[in-house]
Amino acid sequence: VQLVQSGAEVKKPGESLKISCKGSGYYFTNYWIGWVRQMPGKGLEWMGILYPGDSDTKYSPSFQGQVTISADKSISTAYLQWSSLKASDTAIYYCARHPTSVAGLDAFDIWGQGTMVTVSS
Amino acid sequence: QSVLTQPPSASGTPGQRVTISCSGNSSNIGSNFVYWYQQLPGKAPKLLIYRSNQRPSGVPDRFSGSRSGTSASLAISGLRSEDEADYCCAAWDDSLSGPVFGGGTKLTVL
Repeated sequence: VQLVQSGAEVKKPGESLKISCKGSGYYFTNYWIGWVRQMPGKGLEWMGILYPGDSDTKYSPSFQGQVTISADKSISTAYLQWSSLKASDTAIYYCARHPTSVAGLDAFDIWGQGTMVTVSS
Repeated sequence: QSVLTQPPSASGTPGQRVTISCSGNSSNIGSNFVYWYQQLPGKAPKLLIYRSNQRPSGVPDRFSGSRSGTSASLAISGLRSEDEADYCCAAWDDSLSGPVFGGGTKLTVL
């Protein structure tokens, strides 16, 4: 069971970006998958979570409207995208799996290796 | 500011037992399971404890977790130099409909 994320990105403010997270070793459609931000030297922040089976998505109020979470279950891949990046989006972004098909009770069990996103002019 | 509260630092000498606390409220720790992660510098979080007191296979039994009311704790016994890392707690929050995290505790092995 693993989640493999796309590679590091360097972007300019105002640019768009879509990073990916591919699941393997388990039924991708049956488990919620979330995204977590870690800004330099800071703690973990939950951004949102999606159920690939029906694309039901929940966003943290802090990130609602700032990012879009989606998935393509045919290729077992989840995405996190921005339409207009800001310097403050510079961070490591992790995808992580929720261990059941029912949102609630648990936090994340499996984590991707992280994608470093740097936004600088 | 993180939803769950952890001390920013902890320390111990090799062989000692240390505990790290995690405080929440009735919407998170009080009604859901607690997870603990170990994060080494430059690495992704690694699951250490799930469902408050369960260890995944491969995690030494020196690590143990407990939960009481709206608080939880991680205990590390027989401290080793390789335990020096950041430790973070997490729990599902019913009000947010998502998981919340502690700010992390940096453990130093003296």
